[in-house]
Amino acid sequence: DTEVTQTPKHLVMGMTNKKSLKCEQHMGHRAMYWYKQKAKKPPELMFVYSYEKLSINESVPSRFSPECPNSSLLNLHLHALQPEDSALYLCASSQDLSVDGEIYGYTFGSGTRLTVV
Amino acid sequence: GENVEQHPSTLSVQEGDSAVIKCTYSDSASNYFPWYKQELGKGPQLIIDIRSNVGEKKDQRIAVTLNKTAKHFSLHITETQPEDSAVYFCAATNAGGTSYGKLTFGQGTILTVHP
Repeated sequence: DTEVTQTPKHLVMGMTNKKSLKCEQHMGHRAMYWYKQKAKKPPELMFVYSYEKLSINESVPSRFSPECPNSSLLNLHLHALQPEDSALYLCASSQDLSVDGEIYGYTFGSGTRLTVV
Repeated sequence: GENVEQHPSTLSVQEGDSAVIKCTYSDSASNYFPWYKQELGKGPQLIIDIRSNVGEKKDQRIAVTLNKTAKHFSLHITETQPEDSAVYFCAATNAGGTSYGKLTFGQGTILTVHP
């Protein structure tokens, strides 16, 4: 299995709703990432988990709450979002350097298209 | 931190022509340079990468070159086809003391291949 699977593919939510995005990989990657992407822009890093521990939080508002229940799963909990949070949310994973000392490219999922109304 | 500049922002070619996208990076510690292709409604897909100990790498119609001294790297696509139309992102990566590589993207190039 060489894929990162994200669900749902599309999500429309109101500003008072609570929803969660899910990401799953079975490649044995120990680093997992959440990115936000606006149209015609590069992905922007939000969070990095390394060995199931939060390693980087790029000053993301607290209405976004990440969770890494195990080495294969990554969730992003959403609460009280604003319309400007509408975007494509991408999950990615990568192999740890300790495997052979080399950096490898990230494998991205297809994303969740989020619309906040 | 690392800064990656990518040019051009848009590129339009005729089918069969070659396309070249160029990137420069600022951090001499960066040692891994992946290229991603992103089609409409999909996530970025890794298409080719190069490490700092290699000057050139080729995979069928795509190739990447790296000039460490000048801190720039380029993507070359030959014999372009309409299905090559997409947004292409370059990136530079270094471990930065972590156990994974921290990716810094360029701004992207919208490539359009006209039949």
